[in-house]
Amino acid sequence: DIQMTQSPSTLSASVGDRVTITCRASQSIGSWLAWHQQKPGKAPKLLIYKASSLESEVPSRFSGSGSGTEFTLTISSLQPDDFATYYCQQYDGSYTFGQGTKLEIK
Amino acid sequence: EVQLVESGGGLVQPGRSLRLSCAASGFTFDDYAMHWVRQAPGKGLEWVSGISWNSGRIDYVDSVKGRFTVSRDSAKSSLYLQMNNLRAEDTALYYCAKPGERGTSGMYSQVVYWGQGTLVTVSS
Repeated sequence: DIQMTQSPSTLSASVGDRVTITCRASQSIGSWLAWHQQKPGKAPKLLIYKASSLESEVPSRFSGSGSGTEFTLTISSLQPDDFATYYCQQYDGSYTFGQGTKLEIK
Repeated sequence: EVQLVESGGGLVQPGRSLRLSCAASGFTFDDYAMHWVRQAPGKGLEWVSGISWNSGRIDYVDSVKGRFTVSRDSAKSSLYLQMNNLRAEDTALYYCAKPGERGTSGMYSQVVYWGQGTLVTVSS
């Protein structure tokens, strides 16, 4: 089974900051990686797929990169609406989620 | 507009059964695999089960194998999860999820749409 490890588990930042979240896969998954945003009491929302493709209507301040086993989600300039929990998800023949990164206001 | 509406959750005693449903609309249900993903209170997302567009492939996470059964009904555009011999660790919000790609190759494509979830609580 493919394991996904996100870091950090919690991230404190301020509006306007540039932040990066990392996701590592236990084996190569090519570019079969997505990033989802979840706010309290809400369903997750797809942000990025195929490691770096921006989902429709997602703001361009979100970007993804990486391939193989190491991936990153970057938010170029944090907005108040971005404080949420972020999950990576591999989809290389199965589904596995990372444990999540909670992005908090500093 | 794609809509996924889960139902069937509730409070159930350990060892009992529950059947979850997901009513789908806004897309051609028969073209897509469907999945169940759960989230225990205060925890992360865990994939539970998936079924291909034609029910030809069905997969489960190890922890539910032999206890849960996924199925689909094209006439009703609905996805189901029969959960037997429930345990306390099955307590979670259960989401219905739709991948973005059609057909066989799309079974494990990126999840694009999520329902709002139905809460299952297993407790005596």
